[in-house]
Amino acid sequence: KQEVTQIPAALSVPEGENLVLNCSFTDSAIYNLQWFRQDPGKGLTSLLLIQSSQREQTSGRLNASLDKSSGRSTLYIAASQPGDSATYLCAVGFNKFYFGSGTKLNVKP
Amino acid sequence: ETGVTQTPRHLVMGMTNKKSLKCEQHLGHNAMYWYKQSAKKPLELMFVYSLEERVENNSVPSRFSPECPNSSHLFLHLHTLQPEDSALYLCASSQAVRDTQYFGPGTRLTVL
Repeated sequence: KQEVTQIPAALSVPEGENLVLNCSFTDSAIYNLQWFRQDPGKGLTSLLLIQSSQREQTSGRLNASLDKSSGRSTLYIAASQPGDSATYLCAVGFNKFYFGSGTKLNVKP
Repeated sequence: ETGVTQTPRHLVMGMTNKKSLKCEQHLGHNAMYWYKQSAKKPLELMFVYSLEERVENNSVPSRFSPECPNSSHLFLHLHTLQPEDSALYLCASSQAVRDTQYFGPGTRLTVL
């Protein structure tokens, strides 16, 4: 069974800082990996999807990388803003999607 | 309406009630999903439908009964639930099973 771990569980940074969120998974035979953000009490918003054949994807200030061999993905957020405050979830596409528990990010003005 | 919608947004029910959650997607997708999100636990996949056929049933108790009458609608019928079933129930859809998933806002369910 696939296990997905996200570190740290919570992160608080001042506005403007660059930051990295980590996601690791136990079985490298994945077909894709997806990063989401979730605002309190709401559904998930898809940020980036990386296919297993890709190494990274970029969207605006976000960059996600994938290293299948080591079972890791990182989400890099440049020049963080208070509006980035949310819980960030990674989901690994295996025989189905497996989710991590998330990293709760707080960006202080 | 655009994207994925869910009704109701909040539901409180007793253990002997029968209720249904509704999900509708306006994206022309062929796959739909039910997830359960409990406090301090990872999102748990419950059911997957592809082209209106159930392709995944993730060992969910029979008190949860899904229904997919067409590719745009998905229901979750609830009966004789337990307090530990209280959670946020999320619906999602994707073009195909391995594609990017788009989520609805969820139904916050409280079982008394």
